[in-house]
Amino acid sequence: AQKVTQAQTEISVVEKEDVTLDCVYETRDTTYYLFWYKQPPSGELVFLIRRNSFDEQNEISGRYSWNFQKSTSSFNFTITASQVVDSAVYFCALTLNTGNQFYFGTGTSLTVIP
Amino acid sequence: DAGVIQSPRHEVTEMGQEVTLRCKPISGHNSLFWYRQTMMRGLELLIYFNNNVPIDDSGMPEDRFSAKMPNASFSTLKIQPSEPRDSAVYFCATNRDSTYEQYFGPGTRLTVT
Repeated sequence: AQKVTQAQTEISVVEKEDVTLDCVYETRDTTYYLFWYKQPPSGELVFLIRRNSFDEQNEISGRYSWNFQKSTSSFNFTITASQVVDSAVYFCALTLNTGNQFYFGTGTSLTVIP
Repeated sequence: DAGVIQSPRHEVTEMGQEVTLRCKPISGHNSLFWYRQTMMRGLELLIYFNNNVPIDDSGMPEDRFSAKMPNASFSTLKIQPSEPRDSAVYFCATNRDSTYEQYFGPGTRLTVT
């Protein structure tokens, strides 16, 4: 069975601090895909990144970076120099090559305090 | 390009009434998903379609819920009769292939009184 765990339910940081959101996944498949989504207070879910299981290179996009480590089954998300606009709920998700279902974590609510 | 379109954005109805939520997928996307989000249960997959065919409806909570996708451009989620515990935000999402990211619509906030 597949599972995504986001152990951090809520995180608060002061603006300009760095923050890392943890994501741990479980699957026995060797081919899978990992995702991060952002859900700001307005409610929509915004796609941030997709990673496949064969690509362990870290990714950086502006202040956002992602660290994928198969050895620990983790796909962590770091925001550098956080801003108030980063306040949102962030979801990690997993899908397999053999199916269409996405397995979402329970989300981490991030609050950036000005 | 237009994203996933959902209507209505907000729906307030009385218990026992029929509710129909609508979704227009992104053109060219062949899979469509209906989710429900509540504080208690988080994001739950209700049903998904591939090439207009329902693939997995195991998440549909009860017979009161039904979903259709008559063509590649339109899907509906119907609740009849509605109950207060159905109050939630319902999202429609689509993707162009099973391994690609899903794009979500803005959601329909349903309140059943």
